[in-house]
Amino acid sequence: RKEVEQDPGPFNVPEGATVAFNCTYSNSASQSFFWYRQDCRKEPKLLMSVYSSGNEDGRFTAQLNRASQYISLLIRDSKLSDSATYLCVVNFLTDSWGKLQFGAGTQVVVTP
Amino acid sequence: DAGVTQSPTHLIKTRGQHVTLRCSPISGHKSVSWYQQVLGQGPQFIFQYYEKEERGRGNFPDRFSARQFPNYSSELNVNALLLGDSALYLCASSSDNSNQPQHFGDGTRLSIL
Repeated sequence: RKEVEQDPGPFNVPEGATVAFNCTYSNSASQSFFWYRQDCRKEPKLLMSVYSSGNEDGRFTAQLNRASQYISLLIRDSKLSDSATYLCVVNFLTDSWGKLQFGAGTQVVVTP
Repeated sequence: DAGVTQSPTHLIKTRGQHVTLRCSPISGHKSVSWYQQVLGQGPQFIFQYYEKEERGRGNFPDRFSARQFPNYSSELNVNALLLGDSALYLCASSSDNSNQPQHFGDGTRLSIL
């Protein structure tokens, strides 16, 4: 079983609609969580950190469920520019140093 | 401020050769990590360095090695290249707090012929 699992998609979303997807992780000692965005053939870019109480950044909302070991990302009022692969990232401590584990990504395609 | 910079951007090698990839972290960042990303997968952790010491190592063979210099820049070396080493190699830097997010460079796209 992979340590971080994501639905690869693609999620085809009409412009202006809402899309949400989850990511599950297996290591219960995971300390911190992030969503990164990666455009085709580009480097991953930090989208947002995920906090225990859930957090919003504009049209993006992230949630963390430690009991069920998953995080989620919701995108409201989707824009064409939101088309990308969204990487779920889990940081767990190994010998007091953080080790990032990436999911394989969820592809989102926003259509006109 | 400059972000994470990597060089070269693209590289073509043949099997059996070796390669050195370079990375300069964001100013003030002391931790550098290296990742390998093959098409269709998320980045896979290779190494993390902090203050010139290896702090973590992923599941990669001994052909992969790295080091960090006093100015916190880093090199990734790969010997005896295999076709399967073709990938995007990403460098990321972070502050010294282990829970801080990492910021990535543009990557080096390595192709093995």
